Amino acid sequence: DTEVTQTPKHLVMGMTNKKSLKCEQHMGHRAMYWYKQKAKKPPELMFVYSYEKLSINESVPSRFSPECPNSSLLNLHLHALQPEDSALYLCASSQDPRGLEAFFGQGTRLTVV
Amino acid sequence: SQQGEEDPQALSIQEGENATMNCSYKTSINNLQWYRQNSGRGLVHLILIRSNEREKHSGRLRVTLDTSKKSSSLLITASRAADTASYFCALYEKLTFGTGTRLTIIP
Repeated sequence: DTEVTQTPKHLVMGMTNKKSLKCEQHMGHRAMYWYKQKAKKPPELMFVYSYEKLSINESVPSRFSPECPNSSLLNLHLHALQPEDSALYLCASSQDPRGLEAFFGQGTRLTVV
Repeated sequence: SQQGEEDPQALSIQEGENATMNCSYKTSINNLQWYRQNSGRGLVHLILIRSNEREKHSGRLRVTLDTSKKSSSLLITASRAADTASYFCALYEKLTFGTGTRLTIIP
């Protein structure tokens, strides 16, 4: 299995809602990443987990809360988002914690209304 | 953090032609990667080239690295419609990306 699976594929949420994005990989990769991507822009790194510990937080607002319950699973908890947070959220994983030869999921298209 | 700068920002070519895009950077690197992103989808890793390598091939892809000029190029030969995508280079150990090159192959 060489896939990174993200669920849901699409999500519409209100500004007062709490929701979670899920990312799963079964390749034994030790690093996992969250990115935010707006239309026609490159992916922006949000968080990196290395060996299940948060190693990088790119000054992301606290309304985004990552969680890595185990080595295969990465969650992104969302609360009190703003319409400008609407974007494609991508998850990635890599065996090498330096991000070499990473695999990406297909993303969750999030719309905040 | 440091990231590469790809150029051109956009490139349109006829199907069957070759496409070349470049990535420049500012400080020393240990390795450089190229990724492709089809519209609205996840990124796909194409090639990793290490600082002690000058050229690498994978199918129709050829990547060169010139550490003295701090630049890399990605050549796609005999382009196909399916090559239409954005291409990004990634340099450093945080897996961050520049603005990318949007490649359009005209059938």
